[in-house]
Amino acid sequence: IAGITQAPTSQILAAGRRMTLRCTQDMRHNAMYWYRQDLGLGLRLIHYSNTAGTTGKGEVPDGYSVSRANTDDFPLTLASAVPSQTSVYFCASSPAGGASDTQYFGPGTRLTVL
Amino acid sequence: GQNIDQPTEMTATEGAIVQINCTYQTSGFNGLFWYQQHAGEAPTFLSYNVLDGLEEKGRFSSFLSRSKGYSYLLLKELQMKDSASYLCAVRDSNYQLIWGAGTKLIIKP
Repeated sequence: IAGITQAPTSQILAAGRRMTLRCTQDMRHNAMYWYRQDLGLGLRLIHYSNTAGTTGKGEVPDGYSVSRANTDDFPLTLASAVPSQTSVYFCASSPAGGASDTQYFGPGTRLTVL
Repeated sequence: GQNIDQPTEMTATEGAIVQINCTYQTSGFNGLFWYQQHAGEAPTFLSYNVLDGLEEKGRFSSFLSRSKGYSYLLLKELQMKDSASYLCAVRDSNYQLIWGAGTKLIIKP
């Protein structure tokens, strides 16, 4: 593994189903983030974690949950998917979460909820 | 509310220079980032500005004026591979990144 990986690459999901998007980084970064990207809108933060064991809500957290049991993994769960959650989801990480901290992005998961 | 404005789309010619503007209104300011995103790919970091002035990195330069809430990304000697979206993001007082919708840059031969 080099950098950040996400799985699956893409998924079509029936509304009402539960889905977990996986994110793993091997850079020993403290902070991790989940964004969604929709056409015509900027990246919107869903949840974040400044360090293992802690999580926080971003701009659009409703319908999503996260956990951060260790440094490397930061899964995003949709408890009961709805069509408005159709989007491209990016996981990102950064070394320390400070002002000049650069975020590095995974390749993304394209999710379609029908 | 917080707002980042960028043009939706720009077109330029191979070999030319293009300037992509970004204006922002945010609660606090802890730096401004530019990212490049090719279609279907992840955003990748280009530059970071926290003080006023110009930062140069090869063919790419980024300028910041905090008093005007304004930044631009300058791309010189344009190449076809520069066709991509360019995302402006500001780190606010909560240290979260607020993102613009991005500027799609189309390069013509």
